[in-house]
Amino acid sequence: GQQVMQIPQYQHVQEGEDFTTYCNSSTTLSNIQWYKQRPGGHPVFLIQLVKSGEVKKQKRLTFQFGEAKKNSSLHITATQTTDVGTYFCAGSMDSNYQLIWGAGTKLIIKP
Amino acid sequence: EAQVTQNPRYLITVTGKKLTVTCSQNMNHEYMSWYRQDPGLGLRQIYYSMNVEVTDKGDVPEGYKVSRKEKRNFPLILESPSPNQTSLYFCASSPRTGRLYEQYFGPGTRLTVT
Repeated sequence: GQQVMQIPQYQHVQEGEDFTTYCNSSTTLSNIQWYKQRPGGHPVFLIQLVKSGEVKKQKRLTFQFGEAKKNSSLHITATQTTDVGTYFCAGSMDSNYQLIWGAGTKLIIKP
Repeated sequence: EAQVTQNPRYLITVTGKKLTVTCSQNMNHEYMSWYRQDPGLGLRQIYYSMNVEVTDKGDVPEGYKVSRKEKRNFPLILESPSPNQTSLYFCASSPRTGRLYEQYFGPGTRLTVT
């Protein structure tokens, strides 16, 4: 079936280092959303990308949507302890209204 | 305060004992959905509803039922729970059908079936 692959599953970084997570779809997406889930919490919406090649920034977070609308990335510059959590992408196809979720990337800050 | 509420937050039950997890939203959202979250598998959609009296299966509907008799409520029913339904469950709502609008999640219900 339709899948959105997200890598890596985990990423350990020192505070201050950068973090990136990638999502790839085998089919063209109409849009992609990104969510953050803090430990013990629920997913919280971060942003939505709709246009081919779109880049959006939120402070230290940069979101990209590929030209072919099959991949997306989230990059965090100079991670802080408040960035800890799992980041999910979720894409939808033109043919339906369901979101297809990536498995998430867990950001872990090394002590 | 705009929110999605779920009850109970934690539940331990035994195989075969029917249970209902309630979900309510106060944002007048049309779209509601249930997900289960298991380690390494992300969020998998169980059922969704685009409006009152309209429900549809998601990716993993087996063993679950839902109803949408009122706009604000979307209960999840497990008629005969089994251990493989032990999971973390999230209810979510969205102003419109899910494609172009963000989803607002409830706090989650952790279910253990022994």
